[in-house]
Amino acid sequence: AQTVTQSQPEMSVQEAETVTLSCTYDTSENNYYLFWYKQPPSRQMILVIRQEAYKQQNATENRFSVNFQKAAKSFSLKISDSQLGDTAMYFCAFMKLYGGSNYKLTFGKGTLLTVNP
Amino acid sequence: KAGVTQTPRYLIKTRGQQVTLSCSPISGHRSVSWYQQTPGQGLQFLFEYFSETQRNKGNFPGRFSGRQFSNSRSEMNVSTLELGDSALYLCASSLDVAMDIYEQYFGPGTRLTVT
Repeated sequence: AQTVTQSQPEMSVQEAETVTLSCTYDTSENNYYLFWYKQPPSRQMILVIRQEAYKQQNATENRFSVNFQKAAKSFSLKISDSQLGDTAMYFCAFMKLYGGSNYKLTFGKGTLLTVNP
Repeated sequence: KAGVTQTPRYLIKTRGQQVTLSCSPISGHRSVSWYQQTPGQGLQFLFEYFSETQRNKGNFPGRFSGRQFSNSRSEMNVSTLELGDSALYLCASSLDVAMDIYEQYFGPGTRLTVT
């Protein structure tokens, strides 16, 4: 069974600084997908970034980038130039497709990030 | 384009009752997934519907059920409510979670409180 661990329940960062959120996962699968989702306070969850396990290149989306270490089963999220609007709960998620349209999606417990002015 | 909508936004029920939550996906989206979010367990996948059929299912008891209509709108039902069912229930839609697995668009959620 897949498990996703986010070891930092809470983090804080000063505006304009860089912060890294950690995520590790446990799986015996070789092909899978990893995601970071953001859930701002009282707002809807949105996809921040995604990574296909078969791609060696780390995904980047504007100020958000990941450090994907497949052998170490690590998938950390780096937020550069932090903004107040980045304050949110961040969830790491693991998805495995089992042929056709069957899949299993597992989320971490989340990291609450607070960006301070 | 309108986003994913969920109704009601807040709900208070008593133990033993049943509840039905509704989700309207983004127009054109055929896949609807349901999640339960609690402080203790985090975010857990309930099930996914596509073309009126349950295509994927998480590890929840049979008290949790759902259905999808021909217009892709989905409902989730919880029977014989327990205190532990108190949670934020999130719905997410996508064009086809298998073919377009990246983009799931979430609704604002329904906050269910069981007393």
